[in-house]
Amino acid sequence: GAVVSQHPSRVICKSGTSVKIECRSLDFQATTMFWYRQFPKQSLMLMATSNEGSKATYEQGVEKDKFLINHASLTLSTLTVTSAHPEDSSFYICRPGGMGTNEKLFFGSGTQLSVL
Amino acid sequence: AQTVTQSQPEMSVQEAETVTLSCTYDTSESDYYLFWYKQPPSRQMILVIRQEAYKQQNATENRFSVNFQKAAKSFSLKISDSQLGDAAMYFCAYKARAQKLVFGQGTRLTINP
Repeated sequence: GAVVSQHPSRVICKSGTSVKIECRSLDFQATTMFWYRQFPKQSLMLMATSNEGSKATYEQGVEKDKFLINHASLTLSTLTVTSAHPEDSSFYICRPGGMGTNEKLFFGSGTQLSVL
Repeated sequence: AQTVTQSQPEMSVQEAETVTLSCTYDTSESDYYLFWYKQPPSRQMILVIRQEAYKQQNATENRFSVNFQKAAKSFSLKISDSQLGDAAMYFCAYKARAQKLVFGQGTRLTINP
């Protein structure tokens, strides 16, 4: 299956600081990256979709200025949570898309963000 | 919009027995994929099994099999010979080509020793 590397796995930060999460597609070219958020005991909710070399598209209710997404290459996408607040505490997961996935749809290992 | 419904928030089964998790979906598409994902306490999303809608044959992966009823829009997961390591959240998901992946609410499976 596709190899997806997501870092960090866990991060604790103070309110008002920014946190960057990286997602790397190690064995295929990810022309698209999907970012999900999962609150405790809930399902995964799509936050935004990024395409390599272009601006990300955000789902309704997701603040584009708070969740900055960069997809500068076919192997790396980053999600930056800016001016984090306790309500941003959640589990964030990436999923690369593009040729080579064969609709197998593999996910990164996720990042647990805790904002104090 | 496409929706996926898992009507069983929690299920439990005795070790070595068989359990079936239910999933229904709503779509007007004819070409799509259905998935079952396992999310253990580590929270890694693990693909358990995938079914292409155009295939009539039910997908099988070792102890995991599905009952795909396209007309009824039902996609249940059967776990045979349940093991302690099967304990996890299970999510049913749907995806049509060029569309978003849609998840159900999840079913928490407990394995009783």
